[in-house]
Amino acid sequence: GENVEQHPSTLSVQEGDSAVIKCTYSDSASNYFPWYKQELGKGPQLIIDIRSNVGEKKDQRIAVTLNKTAKHFSLHITETQPEDSAVYFCAAPNDYKLSFGAGTTVTVRA
Amino acid sequence: EAEVAQSPRYKITEKSQAVAFWCDPISGHATLYWYRQILGQGPELLVQFQDESVVDDSQLPKDRFSAERLKGVDSTLKIQPAELGDSAMYLCASSFRVGTGWGTGELFFGEGSRLTVL
Repeated sequence: GENVEQHPSTLSVQEGDSAVIKCTYSDSASNYFPWYKQELGKGPQLIIDIRSNVGEKKDQRIAVTLNKTAKHFSLHITETQPEDSAVYFCAAPNDYKLSFGAGTTVTVRA
Repeated sequence: EAEVAQSPRYKITEKSQAVAFWCDPISGHATLYWYRQILGQGPELLVQFQDESVVDDSQLPKDRFSAERLKGVDSTLKIQPAELGDSAMYLCASSFRVGTGWGTGELFFGEGSRLTVL
């Protein structure tokens, strides 16, 4: 099955700075890479995803980059705000099953 | 906005007791998932349904866990008997019919059922 590793496990940034989270995956056939955000007491929610036919995708202050050769993808959050504080999970599929990374707890300091 | 409904939100039980969790997916979503999330870890897939059929239950501890989706709509996850190590958040998610090529597409998660086994 797919093995997804996520780093770092915790990340503290000053408000306004950027945050970067990296994930690696093992299954070279994986072709869809979503990122989920989980706020306290809630279920994860999709914030951005990328498919293997593109190398980068942006949505306002968040972006995801994909390097299929190296089998890693990253989440970039620019101009961080207090509401960005949450746990972020990367994921990758093995056919129809989605495997999640262990998560990164992001804390934005005011 | 349509949401995945789960109940109960919190459950405290003693070991060896039976517990059950219920999930009502977003209307029209053919695929339903039960994930277990241990504190500080990512969600781990327990069972995946396509309509009323089990697509994958390879990580479901079948000696004590069971799941059903009889009419292809709502679903129940049962644990009997509960063990201390079962303490976790049980997340239900749903998505449109899963095809091939682009994996699962977007999963919509409920708020989860937090289980504490004493």
